[in-house]
Amino acid sequence: GAVVSQHPSWVICKSGTSVKIECRSLDFQATTMFWYRQFPKQSLMLMATSNEGSKATYEQGVEKDKFLINHASLTLSTLTVTSAHPEDSSFYICSAQIQGAGNQPQHFGDGTRLSIL
Amino acid sequence: AQRVTQPEKLLSVFKGAPVELKCNYSYSGSPELFWYVQYSRQRLQLLLRHISRESIKGFTADLNKGETSFHLKKPFAQEEDSAMYYCALSGRGSYIPTFGRGTSLIVHP
Repeated sequence: GAVVSQHPSWVICKSGTSVKIECRSLDFQATTMFWYRQFPKQSLMLMATSNEGSKATYEQGVEKDKFLINHASLTLSTLTVTSAHPEDSSFYICSAQIQGAGNQPQHFGDGTRLSIL
Repeated sequence: AQRVTQPEKLLSVFKGAPVELKCNYSYSGSPELFWYVQYSRQRLQLLLRHISRESIKGFTADLNKGETSFHLKKPFAQEEDSAMYYCALSGRGSYIPTFGRGTSLIVHP
């Protein structure tokens, strides 16, 4: 149980394109989802906390207009990288928590590798 | 502010040797600590959490509040333990997790 599906797994696109990444909890409801960015051989960097039905909470230094997050339902959060540039190339990972008491473990998606040419 | 420190970027051992992956944390309240593992070409997954006090795949971790540590241990490492290990902390009342930078464990045959 507690499966998180992330799509697409790999995206290659031209500079200036907007890219949408989907994160779905398949068999549970997730009030909260998290979006991370991971650089090669480095740790996870939390970008934002996505809350169902409300605005996302962004970490310091993360441009909210650049990385649009929508959490329209209890099973789906999307991250849109707007007008992507080569420096946005990275590995993006989402995770979800089972709805309920806080401090539940994270359930991670497989990640999306974004390459901007 | 909450912080997680994993001092070792890489830990290399031989099969059958004991393993200890270090994790120290900084948090003013009562933390909840987790260990996550990422095997090659697989997603991050929960290995264990301190409140469960269980052993998973032979790994154990004890929360030491005095030393603010949550080291991950296994008495006899196996080759299939080779992976990236992340220590993570969530504060009570603040469920946003903080991850350490990760330790790559390589177990040689």
